[in-house]
Amino acid sequence: DAKTTQPNSMESNEEEPVHLPCNHSTISGTDYIHWYRQLPSQGPEYVIHGLTSNVNNRMASLAIAEDRKSSTLILHRATLRDAAVYYCILRVQGAQKLVFGQGTRLTINP
Amino acid sequence: ETGVTQSPTHLIKTRGQQVTLRCSSQSGHNTVSWYQQALGQGPQFIFQYYREEENGRGNFPPRFSGLQFPNYSSELNVNALELDDSALYLCASSLVGEYSPLHFGNGTRLTVT
Repeated sequence: DAKTTQPNSMESNEEEPVHLPCNHSTISGTDYIHWYRQLPSQGPEYVIHGLTSNVNNRMASLAIAEDRKSSTLILHRATLRDAAVYYCILRVQGAQKLVFGQGTRLTINP
Repeated sequence: ETGVTQSPTHLIKTRGQQVTLRCSSQSGHNTVSWYQQALGQGPQFIFQYYREEENGRGNFPPRFSGLQFPNYSSELNVNALELDDSALYLCASSLVGEYSPLHFGNGTRLTVT
């Protein structure tokens, strides 16, 4: 399974944008980049995914580097409810399982 | 639509005992998978069921087993419990396909003493 590398923790302020980086230098051409987050005392929650192009949805944006060796999850305007552990995951084409790393613990300051 | 529900939310067992954890998938989902999450770690894939057959397994011993029922509910069984089995057990349901996100329940917290 291809590995991802994320910072252990990040801190930001409420109502400011947050950029969460992820390195995946061994990504293969058919791996999808998925992001999930886990709020305290809850199961993981799907945030967004992409293959090559940048993606936007109501929760966040995903910016993917041209060589696909890194990506950035962007929360445009953080709220206190965005405090969570964010996982960057490479999902093999056709595979259902997710391989979680340690993730980034995001703290939002009021 | 109803989400993924798991029961019980908390459970305490003694080493050597057996335990059954239950999961009710999100309506319409045909695939269910189970994950183990130790304290401070990311979830680890145990196995997955599709159409009532196991079709993928992580690095877990055979004493971890499961069932998927025609109504897409699911069970995780663990025999001969060990202290290291203490963890949060998460169930996730989805449709088949790499475009389909997984929907997780909030887990069962198992403590083995």
